[in-house]
Amino acid sequence: EAGVTQSPTHLIKTRGQQATLRCSPISGHTSVYWYQQALGLGLQFLLWYDEGEERNRGNFPPRFSGRQFPNYSSELNVNALELEDSALYLCASSLGVGRDTGELFFGEGSRLTVL
Amino acid sequence: KQEVTQIPAALSVPEGENLVLNCSFTDSAIYNLQWFRQDPGKGLTSLLLIQSSQREQTSGRLNASLDKSSGRSTLYIAASQPGDSATYLCAVLHGGSQGNLIFGKGTKLSVKP
Repeated sequence: EAGVTQSPTHLIKTRGQQATLRCSPISGHTSVYWYQQALGLGLQFLLWYDEGEERNRGNFPPRFSGRQFPNYSSELNVNALELEDSALYLCASSLGVGRDTGELFFGEGSRLTVL
Repeated sequence: KQEVTQIPAALSVPEGENLVLNCSFTDSAIYNLQWFRQDPGKGLTSLLLIQSSQREQTSGRLNASLDKSSGRSTLYIAASQPGDSATYLCAVLHGGSQGNLIFGKGTKLSVKP
């Protein structure tokens, strides 16, 4: 069974550009989570989607946005890129609201570099 | 505000040693606690999940315990191997956190052959 898959693996952008990262959850999972892991800052919660709806949002500016599609895959968009957005962006999935054990399964991440 | 602390930040041991990694959290109102492993530049691999009603979980050479009242969890690794070298992360799902898994900064483990 395939795990959480993310694309692209690496992405290089310049300041002011937009980045789009994609995530496919484990089959049968309806919840998708996005986390940012910047150097020295640890993992920080960005967004949580379940059944196509945004359920919760971390302490990030509005230029970080996303959506979840009917097939439960998700994309994270980062607009007006800044140097400090350089980080590993990790996607995770879980069974979903009402069915969850609370166990999250993570993908390999997308490394975003902003020059 | 829930905070998660992991001690030590780094640990180097010879192969074959048994070792303990520590995790503490400030608010005992947790839904669960999860231990992960992260290799350099890679994603997170789930190791063990302990629900708030459980005291411990075991998987192979790994054993994780949870003491909610004291706000502590330990990850015990038996007979360590060089392949165990990685960063180990502890994370708690707070009772009212709405999906926000709160992570510690991790313990970087190096097992020397």
